[in-house]
Amino acid sequence: TQLLEQSPQFLSIQEGENLTVYCNSSSVFSSLQWYRQEPGEGPVLLVTVVTGGEVKKLKRLTFQFGDARKDSSLHITAAQPGDTGLYLCAGARRAGGTSYGKLTFGQGTILTVHP
Amino acid sequence: KAGVTQTPRYLIKTRGQQVTLSCSPISGHRSVSWYQQTPGQGLQFLFEYFSETQRNKGNFPGRFSGRQFSNSRSEMNVSTLELGDSALYLCASSLDPFGELFFGSGTQLSVL
Repeated sequence: TQLLEQSPQFLSIQEGENLTVYCNSSSVFSSLQWYRQEPGEGPVLLVTVVTGGEVKKLKRLTFQFGDARKDSSLHITAAQPGDTGLYLCAGARRAGGTSYGKLTFGQGTILTVHP
Repeated sequence: KAGVTQTPRYLIKTRGQQVTLSCSPISGHRSVSWYQQTPGQGLQFLFEYFSETQRNKGNFPGRFSGRQFSNSRSEMNVSTLELGDSALYLCASSLDPFGELFFGSGTQLSVL
């Protein structure tokens, strides 16, 4: 069983602070995705990283895929109340016919940004 | 264009009953996946369908089943409901099995 461990589980910070969420596994994934989910809604894809060592930036969010493709991190700079939500990492494998439809999700990080 | 539509939005059932959940994918999307989300276990993969064929199945008991129709709409069925089946059931669609997933808002199932 492939497991993705996310840390921390909960994060409560003040507006303007920086934060990092980690996603680790003992297995190799062909790609890692990060989602954000708000209450009462389904997850929304933020980014997909596919190459070991890859770094992607989305405004104040920076995503990194580990060199060995077993871990990933999400860094938010100058967090805002609108960043509040559940952040999920998800791993996909394409070997053997597996597809992005079958994802292994981490437990999630609940982020609260206070004004 | 319209997003992924899941019906019903909320459902309350009692133990032993069965339930059918429906998912209408984004127009043109032929791949549909189902996930169960609970506070304890997080998001867990149930099934994936593409062009009416089940491509993958997660580690759930046989009480959980699904199907996809020729118009790409999908249903999942849970028979002999147990208390532990209480969860948010999420459906996601994509153009094909390797495309970006778009999730619906889910069906919140409560088993009493």
